[in-house]
Amino acid sequence: GNSVTQMEGPVTLSEEAFLTINCTYTATGYPSLFWYVQYPGEGLQLLLKATKADDKGSNKGFEATYRKETTSFHLEKGSVQVSDSAVYFCALTMDTGRRALTFGSGTRLQVQP
Amino acid sequence: DAMVIQNPRYQVTQFGKPVTLSCSQTLNHNVMYWYQQKSSQAPKLLFHYYDKDFNNEADTPDNFQSRRPNTSFCFLDIRSPGLGDAAMYLCATSREIVTSAYEQFFGPGTRLTVL
Repeated sequence: GNSVTQMEGPVTLSEEAFLTINCTYTATGYPSLFWYVQYPGEGLQLLLKATKADDKGSNKGFEATYRKETTSFHLEKGSVQVSDSAVYFCALTMDTGRRALTFGSGTRLQVQP
Repeated sequence: DAMVIQNPRYQVTQFGKPVTLSCSQTLNHNVMYWYQQKSSQAPKLLFHYYDKDFNNEADTPDNFQSRRPNTSFCFLDIRSPGLGDAAMYLCATSREIVTSAYEQFFGPGTRLTVL
């Protein structure tokens, strides 16, 4: 079956540091890939997505590139802020068959001033 | 603002005592989903409704039921909660069945405690 593996957290960074959260996937076929973010006390929000190989999703300074050769979709940001502190979930879905989201277990990011 | 609302945000129940969690949406989306998220784990899909069509995941326990009386509301019923059912329950909606084109919108979740 399909699965998503994320690096374990928490990831603790100082403000303005560079962020990478690793995500790799296993899927039969060609999934669409997503990053969701969950701020404290809130629901999950879509952060960015990529639907085919070599696509780059970007939003709010975050970027992730769909790498088919390494089955990865790592999340990056050049300069994190305290307000980026949240839990980040990598997820995939297939455009055929069972079209539910498959999530990774989430990575908590803590940004210190 | 259009949104997904879950009530209550925190629910405490006793072992074996039925409990109902509520979700409503103002997005007029066709699809509503219920996920279970245990501590430090990925959200796990329990079931979804496409309009009035109910779709149960194969490994969802029979203890979990759902109702969707209209487009706006969806309920999660846990008939006899066990200690293992303590979790965050997330409701989500999408305009159509999720593909790359259709985003899922999530509510804030209901945290269920079973005593």
